[in-house]
Amino acid sequence: EAQLVESGGGLVQPGGSLRLSCAASGFTLSSYWMGWVRQAPGKGLEWVANINKGGSERKYVDSVKGRFTISRDNAKNALYLQMNSLRAEDTAVYYCARDCDYYEVDYWGQGTLVTVSS
Amino acid sequence: QSVLTQPRSVSGSPGQSVTISCTGTSNDVGYYNYVSWYQQHPGKAPKLMISDVTKRPSGVPDRFSGSKSGNTASLTISGLQGEDEAVYYCCSFAGDYTLGVFGGGTRLTVL
Repeated sequence: EAQLVESGGGLVQPGGSLRLSCAASGFTLSSYWMGWVRQAPGKGLEWVANINKGGSERKYVDSVKGRFTISRDNAKNALYLQMNSLRAEDTAVYYCARDCDYYEVDYWGQGTLVTVSS
Repeated sequence: QSVLTQPRSVSGSPGQSVTISCTGTSNDVGYYNYVSWYQQHPGKAPKLMISDVTKRPSGVPDRFSGSKSGNTASLTISGLQGEDEAVYYCCSFAGDYTLGVFGGGTRLTVL
C-alpha cells in the first residue's frame, strides 16, 4: 500500500528557512502529480503547491509565490518543499499529498508541524 | 476566507441522515465534475471519502454518497454512526492555472 512520510518540520524564526521532505513508498512516484497541503492551527485545509509527474510544471498559492519551491526526485522516491522567508502565517501542519488527478488526494502523509515564531 | 462555502456545523442522531453542502461558482464546482470530500478526525490526516463528485474509493462505506446540482455539491451520510463524527472538507478543481480550492470545513456532531 502507498505510504507518505514527511520530515523536516520544526520551530524557526521569522525570515528563516526550512526544507520539508516526503518519502514515498508502495507506489511509483513518477506516475503521480504530488503536492503539499497545509492546515494552520484550528483552521481548514489549503493547497500550497503541486508539481507534475516529471517536475517541469509547478503551481503555488499566491501567498507563498517567490518564497517556497516544490521539487521532486523520482529516482529517490522523494518530494520536497523548500520554504524561505518564513512568516508567522506560514505556521501550520504540512501534509504531503498524492494527487490522483484534479487535486483529488487519495493518500496523505501524517503531517509535519512548522512553527514560525521568535 | 475559503473559496468554497460550507456550513460550519451540522448534527444528527445515530441512524439518521445528514447532508453537507459545498457551494462554489461556475468557475469551479459548477463547471467541473472534480469535487472531492475528505473526513478528518482530530489530530489525524484527512481521508478521501468521495472523488469525482460521486465516486466512493474502495473501503469507504456506501452510507457516504456525493452529488452535485449547479454550483453546489453535497455529501450525504446515511445511517449515522458515532465514528462519523469528524470535520468534512470539500475540494474542487478550478482550472489548469490554479490550485484546487477547499471549503472551510463542516463539523459533524452525532448526537
